[in-house]
Amino acid sequence: DVKVTQSSRYLVKRTGEKVFLECVQDMDHENMFWYRQDPGLGLRLIYFSYDVKMKEKGDIPEGYSVSREKKERFSLILESASTNQTSMYLCASRTAGGPYEQYFGPGTRLTVT
Amino acid sequence: AQKVTQAQTEISVVEKEDVTLDCVYETRDTTYYLFWYKQPPSGELVFLIRRNSFDEQNEISGRYSWNFQKSTSSFNFTITASQVVDSAVYFCALIYYNQGGKLIFGQGTELSVKP
Repeated sequence: DVKVTQSSRYLVKRTGEKVFLECVQDMDHENMFWYRQDPGLGLRLIYFSYDVKMKEKGDIPEGYSVSREKKERFSLILESASTNQTSMYLCASRTAGGPYEQYFGPGTRLTVT
Repeated sequence: AQKVTQAQTEISVVEKEDVTLDCVYETRDTTYYLFWYKQPPSGELVFLIRRNSFDEQNEISGRYSWNFQKSTSSFNFTITASQVVDSAVYFCALIYYNQGGKLIFGQGTELSVKP
């Protein structure tokens, strides 16, 4: 079974703090993704990576950065957390070629106060 | 533009009822994949099915079935004899080959199955 793990299920941070969300997958997948999920908006792509040290902006990258130093690990960084970044964050991975489905971690519910 | 629409925001049924979740998509691609995911209260999205645009056969897996109709750009999901454990948010998604093959999700349908 594919396993994607995220470092925290729940996180509470203060405005202005630097926040790290970690994601690890154990299936040697090339592609990894960070989404945020908000009520009424579905899931929106923040960043993705298709290889170590390679990253691309998604639809809503502002206020975020990412790091991928090892194939299995993809980190999402909130440089200076703000209250509008309170959300559910979901990490996903998949193989570079088909069959294209993504496998998701359990999510991190981040609250910024 | 790539888009997925799940018009039903919430559905509530009584156990053992059949329920269909609707999904309509838009894409300019001639080859594409569609997906359904389940998100139980625990939060993790669970992959249910993948369908490619060349295969219009309906798929059945136990109590779950999917109806893909290219002519109407729909990929509907039916749960037969629903159970309380089916209560979850269900997402339909379309692959977008740019941006690493990201998934474009519908807004989700929250299904509540009451005993």
